[in-house]
Amino acid sequence: NAGVTQTPKFQVLKTGQSMTLQCAQDMNHEYMSWYRQDPGMGLRLIHYSVGAGITDQGEVPNGYNVSRSTTEDFPLRLLSAAPSQTSVYFCASSPGTGGYGNEKLFFGSGTQLSVL
Amino acid sequence: KNEVEQSPQNLTAQEGEFITINCSYSVGISALHWLQQHPGGGIVSLFMLSSGKKKHGRLIATINIQEKHSSLHITASHPRDSAVYICAASGGGADGLTFGKGTHLIIQP
Repeated sequence: NAGVTQTPKFQVLKTGQSMTLQCAQDMNHEYMSWYRQDPGMGLRLIHYSVGAGITDQGEVPNGYNVSRSTTEDFPLRLLSAAPSQTSVYFCASSPGTGGYGNEKLFFGSGTQLSVL
Repeated sequence: KNEVEQSPQNLTAQEGEFITINCSYSVGISALHWLQQHPGGGIVSLFMLSSGKKKHGRLIATINIQEKHSSLHITASHPRDSAVYICAASGGGADGLTFGKGTHLIIQP
């Protein structure tokens, strides 16, 4: 199993550009989520999904869009990039059968995004 | 919203020392996670616990539900243990994980 695969690892955008961060898992996990990690702050939840076709907002959803058309994939879209979205982004998944937050989380390797 | 505090923020120790990292939270939880993040690397789950103690190799995690406090211990520390250690408290909901800011650990040879 590859686990959670995140691409790209690095990305530089100009203000106003759009892009999609890809996240895929091959563990048949129901729960998938996106976090951003900023210096001096804990990881913060952007969006999450508890199954195909179901998504919801986390703590910091503004400026981001998600969809979950398959169990495996959970892409994160930046609609119009802003410098405030410069951050490191992590995708994570868990089985979703034992209670959300009460299961081991599997993280992708992260995407370092800079918005100029 | 749960408040999660970790201490210390930074810790430098010599190889072989016993390491303790602390995590306190403000609201009752259903589970507490300990994560490890190496420089420039991804995040790995070390432990998830809701009571008592768990051990994996040289790592030990404990939790005191009444005191709303958890500790991560590393015995016989090694330079490869150098990383950021993050605790996260779960309220049980799909959006219920609150993360601490992390403890940056450096183990010098």
